[in-house]
Amino acid sequence: GDSVTQMEGPVTLSEEAFLTINCTYTATGYPSLFWYVQYPGEGLQLLLKATKADDKGSNKGFEATYRKETTSFHLEKGSVQVSDSAVYFCALRGSGGFKTIFGAGTRLFVKA
Amino acid sequence: GAVVSQHPSWVICKSGTSVKIECRSLDFQATTMFWYRQFPKQSLMLMATSNEGSKATYEQGVEKDKFLINHASLTLSTLTVTSAHPEDSSFYICSARGASDGTDTQYFGPGTRLTVL
Repeated sequence: GDSVTQMEGPVTLSEEAFLTINCTYTATGYPSLFWYVQYPGEGLQLLLKATKADDKGSNKGFEATYRKETTSFHLEKGSVQVSDSAVYFCALRGSGGFKTIFGAGTRLFVKA
Repeated sequence: GAVVSQHPSWVICKSGTSVKIECRSLDFQATTMFWYRQFPKQSLMLMATSNEGSKATYEQGVEKDKFLINHASLTLSTLTVTSAHPEDSSFYICSARGASDGTDTQYFGPGTRLTVL
């Protein structure tokens, strides 16, 4: 079945450091890919998405490119801030599908 | 953006009692609602999917008689944990998706933390 694998955390960075959180997926067809963020004590929020190969999703300085050849959707940000500290979930929804499948989540700590 | 609310945000109950959690889409009509369960430091596990006016579809391994889901209107779904036990303690999150907002984006509620003593 469809699945999402993302790097284990926690990831600890200093402010203004470069962030990469790896995400790979297994799915048939052409899934839509998502990154969600969960701030402490809050629900999940959609951060960005991409619906077809080579699409780049971006929001709030975060970017991720849908790479079908490597089945990846890595999340990147050039300069993280303390306020980016949260748990980040990679997710997919299969083509024609209804359910969203989540990765295990990666906790990010950003130190001032 | 669209807002999904959950009530209560946290609840503590005694073993053997039932607990109802409400999920509301505040500014859009949710044709589909999803209920997830999240264990500490783990990902979301889909429990069931419900469409307004029809029976919920439960994921494999989820007891439908224990986790009763009702999606009575386009803005309200409820999850009732019947005869709760300590192992049911978890963070329950609902999500709503509605065609009326022009996209197929899922919007998530803030979650309900259930503790069963």
